Amino acid sequence: QSVLTQPPSVSAAPGQKVTISCSGSSSNIGNNYVSWYQQLPGTAPKLLIYDNNKRPSGIPDRFSGSKSGTSATLGITGLQTGDEADYYCGTWDSSLSAPHWVFGGGTKLTVL
Amino acid sequence: EVQLVESGGGLVQPGGSLRLSCAASGFTFSSYWMSWVRQAPGKGLEWVANIKQDGSEKYYVDSVKGRFTISRDNAKNSLYLQMNSLRAEDTAVYYCARERGPRRFDPWGQGTLVTVSS
Repeated sequence: QSVLTQPPSVSAAPGQKVTISCSGSSSNIGNNYVSWYQQLPGTAPKLLIYDNNKRPSGIPDRFSGSKSGTSATLGITGLQTGDEADYYCGTWDSSLSAPHWVFGGGTKLTVL
Repeated sequence: EVQLVESGGGLVQPGGSLRLSCAASGFTFSSYWMSWVRQAPGKGLEWVANIKQDGSEKYYVDSVKGRFTISRDNAKNSLYLQMNSLRAEDTAVYYCARERGPRRFDPWGQGTLVTVSS
């Protein structure tokens, strides 16, 4: 059971738009920055979005992020078959007893 | 080019030990927090441990406390994970990752597979 909650899967047709949600709590998403990672089959995760809504150099603007309260959302427009991957949200959990990083369980994107 | 390369994975029996290494290049290693993140076969990402730039602070996920030890050698630009009393549930690909923040992991290494089985 992951601390952050993501839908297990989403799907859409090429060219369409999809959103992936990530729900947490005040100790993690509510008070810290959210990042998103793309993991293509058989590869290591790659940073996609950081500081809730910023894109690293080289990430196309088809990818966007937002945060509101204790939830975050990843948006992907103009879907391409190459976007088929697992997507993970992550953030720092600043619990006083034991601060630690937490991830969502991951969302598998299928481009139909 | 910023790069992280893990090594040291393999097959180990339950109760055994293994030491993972992560060689960093292309950036000032001593300026960054570093983490280990693992991924069990077919499962999601699980953060394991991290360490401050000078090694003075370390944090662990509850499931590995007392069994795993994270360390670093800034002179060698290397990160380590000493894993003792290994269990079947520790079977995973282990990634090292540079922290920026604590706001993001970038980049990640290619990972090294640890299999705990008799």
